[in-house]
Amino acid sequence: AQKVTQAQTEISVVEKEDVTLDCVYETRDTTYYLFWYKQPPSGELVFLIRRNSFDEQNEISGRYSWNFQKSTSSFNFTITASQVVDSAVYFCALSGNNQGGKLIFGQGTELSVKP
Amino acid sequence: DAGVIQSPRHEVTEMGQEVTLRCKPISGHNSLFWYRQTMMRGLELLIYFNNNVPIDDSGMPEDRFSAKMPNASFSTLKIQPSEPRDSAVYFCASRPDRENTEAFFGQGTRLTVV
Repeated sequence: AQKVTQAQTEISVVEKEDVTLDCVYETRDTTYYLFWYKQPPSGELVFLIRRNSFDEQNEISGRYSWNFQKSTSSFNFTITASQVVDSAVYFCALSGNNQGGKLIFGQGTELSVKP
Repeated sequence: DAGVIQSPRHEVTEMGQEVTLRCKPISGHNSLFWYRQTMMRGLELLIYFNNNVPIDDSGMPEDRFSAKMPNASFSTLKIQPSEPRDSAVYFCASRPDRENTEAFFGQGTRLTVV
């Protein structure tokens, strides 16, 4: 069975602080894909990043960075120098090659960045 | 590309009524997902299709829910009869292949059953 756990339900930080959102996953698949999505207050779901299970290189995109560690089954997301516009719910998701394409999400972490 | 299109954006209905939510996936995408989002349960996968065929409907809550995909460009999610606990935001998403690309989401349908 597949499972994604985002243990942090809510996080509140002050602008310019760094913040890390945790994601832990479970799968028996040897090939799988991990994703992060952002859901701003307007409600749409916006894709941020995709990672496959064979690529453990960390990725940086501007203020965003992702740390993928197979040894701990984690795919954590860090926002550096957070801004008010980063306030949103962030979802981690998993899709495995033996699950017929099933895409499942964690419960989400609501990030509030205060000025 | 217009993206994934869902209709209606908002639906208010009375308990017991039939509700039909509609989704037009992105042209050329062959996987389609229906999700339900609530505060209590987060983003739940209800059902997904690949090449118009339902692959996994284990997330469909009960027999009152049904989903169809009669062709590659259209899908419906029907609730009959609706109940207040069905109130949620329902999202449709599509992606071009089975598992190694991101899914693109529609704007969602906010359903309120009174």
